[in-house]
Amino acid sequence: SAVISQKPSRDICQRGTSLTIQCQVDSQVTMMFWYRQQPGQSLTLIATANQGSEATYESGFVIDKFPISRPNLTFSTLTVSNMSPEDSSIYLCSVSGAGKHQETQYFGPGTRLLVL
Amino acid sequence: QKEVEQNSGPLSVPEGAIASLNCTYSDRGSQSFFWYRQYSGKSPELIMFIYSNGDKEDGRFTAQLNKASQYVSLLIRDSQPSDSATYLCAVNESGGSYIPTFGRGTSLIVHP
Repeated sequence: SAVISQKPSRDICQRGTSLTIQCQVDSQVTMMFWYRQQPGQSLTLIATANQGSEATYESGFVIDKFPISRPNLTFSTLTVSNMSPEDSSIYLCSVSGAGKHQETQYFGPGTRLLVL
Repeated sequence: QKEVEQNSGPLSVPEGAIASLNCTYSDRGSQSFFWYRQYSGKSPELIMFIYSNGDKEDGRFTAQLNKASQYVSLLIRDSQPSDSATYLCAVNESGGSYIPTFGRGTSLIVHP
């Protein structure tokens, strides 16, 4: 498995501001993903972070709102831009392609975001 | 569109009983299947994965897969209050896309 850390673990932000969330993995992984999970809801995939190229966004998510970087095989960032209260959610980094079972996805501890 | 269906619950079972969690999926090309446990306020934690038809056992957990019926289940024997959580089913198609489709999860409550 992979050990994943996220920073910050939580934050309270004012509307109109931006927050960058960092995801660090303890080993090189093939794939990194960013999910959002609103209270009581299931996981919603925002995008796949591609190393050395632009992220692949899911329907309903755009780069201007959620810019993503992945400079290497162990690190990625997600920025939530021009935030509104509707962006209040838990943001989860996940990875796959680590270890023996390449398709297995592992999750970071998440970042709890509250936008006022 | 690929779909993974789970009963949202809550499923309530007494301590010591067997909890049975079910999941159906729409994509016949699916090749790998995962069960995650998510405690309230925490991130999903992998419990088991299964690739082949039949049963796979790990401690108190058994995953069952029936590809013909497009059905995967998780059995929890000797349920404990600490098993109370939401259980997410995830299904991955073949071809190494590594992007599973998640179900909405089933809430399990194990009462003493």
